[in-house]
Amino acid sequence: DQQVKQNSPSLSVQEGRISILNCDYTNSMFDYFLWYKKYPAEGPTFLISISSIKDKNEDGRFTVFLNKSAKHLSLHIVPSQPGDSAVYFCAASIQNNDMRFGAGTRLTVKP
Amino acid sequence: DTEVTQTPKHLVMGMTNKKSLKCEQHMGHRAMYWYKQKAKKPPELMFVYSYEKLSINESVPSRFSPECPNSSLLNLHLHALQPEDSALYLCASSQGRGYTFGSGTRLTVV
Repeated sequence: DQQVKQNSPSLSVQEGRISILNCDYTNSMFDYFLWYKKYPAEGPTFLISISSIKDKNEDGRFTVFLNKSAKHLSLHIVPSQPGDSAVYFCAASIQNNDMRFGAGTRLTVKP
Repeated sequence: DTEVTQTPKHLVMGMTNKKSLKCEQHMGHRAMYWYKQKAKKPPELMFVYSYEKLSINESVPSRFSPECPNSSLLNLHLHALQPEDSALYLCASSQGRGYTFGSGTRLTVV
């Protein structure tokens, strides 16, 4: 049962432009959402998060938007940089227990 | 110390071997987790320990046996694994919001 879905396996963006990564979820009990960045052979690294009581959280070049009615969240990276190239996982949890991950989106930022 | 340390980084084991994966954190986090990640797949939750007690077991086969000796350590004992168990095994810890992940152990079962 895939409760967190990232339907785009890959995304390619030009340096300096905006990257938009999307994520959908099915469990309305999720109350906390996170984005992780992962390089090969490394563990996921926390990027940004948002609580279900908010609809936007911004940290530097990264902004996460949450649309609870649509059960959809997105990560915006602007401007995109080549160093942002990685696999991005969307994750969701209930009361910070058993975090569930999406399948990931491989972002490539071209110079 | 803001890291989760996993050892070994790589492990090759036969199907009749017994081995253990180790995870350590000194951030005072009271919840620790084991995830399994196959190539091009998301991390899948295996076990959750909360205050050193097993709180979630995601129907993991008994050939995987977790152990939490104290609040800083988490082990995963492996016995009679199958080749399909080859994967990256990730440990994570949390206190409050957000998890901290280790770099993982790349396990190959031959």
